Amino acid sequence: AQSVTQPDIHITVSEGASLELRCNYSYGATPYLFWYVQSPGQGLQLLLKYFSGDTLVQGIKGFEAEFKRSQSSFNLRKPSVHWSDAAEYFCAVGAGNYQLIWGAGTKLIIKP
Amino acid sequence: GAGVSQSPSNKVTEKGKDVELRCDPISGHTALYWYRQSLGQGLEFLIYFQGNSAPDKSGLPSDRFSAERTGGSVSTLTIQRTQQEDSAVYLCASSRNGFQETQYFGPGTRLLVL
Repeated sequence: AQSVTQPDIHITVSEGASLELRCNYSYGATPYLFWYVQSPGQGLQLLLKYFSGDTLVQGIKGFEAEFKRSQSSFNLRKPSVHWSDAAEYFCAVGAGNYQLIWGAGTKLIIKP
Repeated sequence: GAGVSQSPSNKVTEKGKDVELRCDPISGHTALYWYRQSLGQGLEFLIYFQGNSAPDKSGLPSDRFSAERTGGSVSTLTIQRTQQEDSAVYLCASSRNGFQETQYFGPGTRLLVL
């Protein structure tokens, strides 16, 4: 069965520091991969997605993610975080049908 | 343009009562999803509507849950005889056509069953 794992429930990063949020998936074929962000009091918003092609994907708000087939990973990165990046981040996998399988989320806390 | 809207934003009910949650998708979006998000959990798929096709109800947790979508637009999720474990945030999302398209989420309805 398809699954998505986000190993870190919480991550604390200092403002201005770099960020990497981990996402691992289990799926036999090449999946469709997504990162969504849920900011306090706001709805979920798509950051970026990967379907095919270049394995390094650029998204909104300065985020990027890299698909690594050999590691079954799709980690989200940002070179320098801002206080406004504090939110919960969800990785999701589209596994050949119309459903997305979601990770449990990683809550990002920004230290001033 | 207008995004996905959901009502009510919060609902407190007593165990055993029925509740109706409403979702207004983005105009022209043929795909509509309902999800449930419990505290500390990811999104749990509940039901999917695509155009005029029969909905996929495979994610509904019990027969107390049902949903309909009228005229390919507004959708209502109904929970009958609510239980405390139904307490969660219920999210609605729409997309132009299928999951490859970006899903646009509403703000959710926070349901508390006492």
